[in-house]
Amino acid sequence: NAGVTQTPKFRVLKTGQSMTLLCAQDMNHEYMYWYRQDPGMGLRLIHYSVGEGTTAKGEVPDGYNVSRLKKQNFLLGLESAAPSQTSVYFCASSPGHSGNTIYFGEGSWLTVV
Amino acid sequence: AQTVTQSQPEMSVQEAETVTLSCTYDTSENNYYLFWYKQPPSRQMILVIRQEAYKQQNATENRFSVNFQKAAKSFSLKISDSQLGDTAMYFCAKAGNMLTFGGGTRLMVKP
Repeated sequence: NAGVTQTPKFRVLKTGQSMTLLCAQDMNHEYMYWYRQDPGMGLRLIHYSVGEGTTAKGEVPDGYNVSRLKKQNFLLGLESAAPSQTSVYFCASSPGHSGNTIYFGEGSWLTVV
Repeated sequence: AQTVTQSQPEMSVQEAETVTLSCTYDTSENNYYLFWYKQPPSRQMILVIRQEAYKQQNATENRFSVNFQKAAKSFSLKISDSQLGDTAMYFCAKAGNMLTFGGGTRLMVKP
């Protein structure tokens, strides 16, 4: 079972460049999330989606945009990358309400130089 | 903003012994869910245990159990018979509209 798959796994960007991280889930989950994890810290929510065509801001949304055109995919975009966005990015999905277990992807390492 | 606090940045325990990781949280909700996640060096996020706030009984999963004190807003994780494979970062999390994580506790199990 694939579960939650993130692409790419590693990327180095120059300041000002743009890129998109792709998250795909094959579990027919309604909810999808993008988190970032900085060294020695917990995960912070960037954006999330409660269904196809919907998106909402999390704790740290500035500098990022997202889209959920298809239920199985959740895209995270960086329009103009900054060194402060160097982090590990995790995508996650869950079946629905807050009590359900959230399933995480393996993470995407992004370095902005 | 909701907060989840883990007051122990690092802990160590001898193999086969018991260790307890602390977590406190802030909420005005009556019904919510709490989780402990394990993150080994591979960075994979692995669910360890889940607790529903409206259940008074503490959740258990094999060697892992929680001490849930709703009034005190405390949710500690006890690991019994610690194994070398338990070495990892452990994150406490609370689910409301979104899942909020604590800063983590790095656990080292020593042989």
